[in-house]
Amino acid sequence: DVKVTQSSRYLVKRTGEKVFLECVQDMDHENMFWYRQDPGLGLRLIYFSYDVKMKEKGDIPEGYSVSREKKERFSLILESASTNQTSMYLCASSLSGRQWTDTQYFGPGTRLTVL
Amino acid sequence: AQSVTQLDSQVPVFEEAPVELRCNYSSSVSVYLFWYVQYPNQGLQLLLKYLSGSTLVESINGFEAEFNKSQTSFHLRKPSVHISDTAEYFCAVSIIQGAQKLVFGQGTRLTINP
Repeated sequence: DVKVTQSSRYLVKRTGEKVFLECVQDMDHENMFWYRQDPGLGLRLIYFSYDVKMKEKGDIPEGYSVSREKKERFSLILESASTNQTSMYLCASSLSGRQWTDTQYFGPGTRLTVL
Repeated sequence: AQSVTQLDSQVPVFEEAPVELRCNYSSSVSVYLFWYVQYPNQGLQLLLKYLSGSTLVESINGFEAEFNKSQTSFHLRKPSVHISDTAEYFCAVSIIQGAQKLVFGQGTRLTINP
């Protein structure tokens, strides 16, 4: 079974803090994704990566950056957290770069609250 | 641009009743279609997907979805729901162009009442 783990289930940070969300997958997947999930808005793609050190902006990248130094690990960084970044953050992975049929496997999510 | 619309944000039904969760999409290029499910306090998991062939696809737990190209819809149905089906359901499209990306709908919260 594919396993996607996220470093924290719940996180509380203060405005202006730098925040790191970590995601690890154990199935040698090429693609990794970061989404945020908000009520009534569904999931929106923040960033994705289809190879080590490669990254592409998703639909809402503003205020976020990412890092992928190793194939299994994909980090989401909030350089200066703001209250409008309070949300549920979901990490996902899928097998190969341009296979549009691949299933995405999701982690359990990190609920981030910015005070 | 591509978009996915789930017409109902919440659907309450009684146990053993039938249910339909509606999904419509808009895309200028071909797409593959997915339904994901999120049980309480869990991440999303794949329920079923349409790639090609028969327009009716089924999941292992009794859900089915039918791809209708002319109406650009991919509605999800189950003839008889159980309490354990309580979850949020997300429709998504994978655009057959460029890198693999999913575009999700807003989600439908299915609540089963005994």
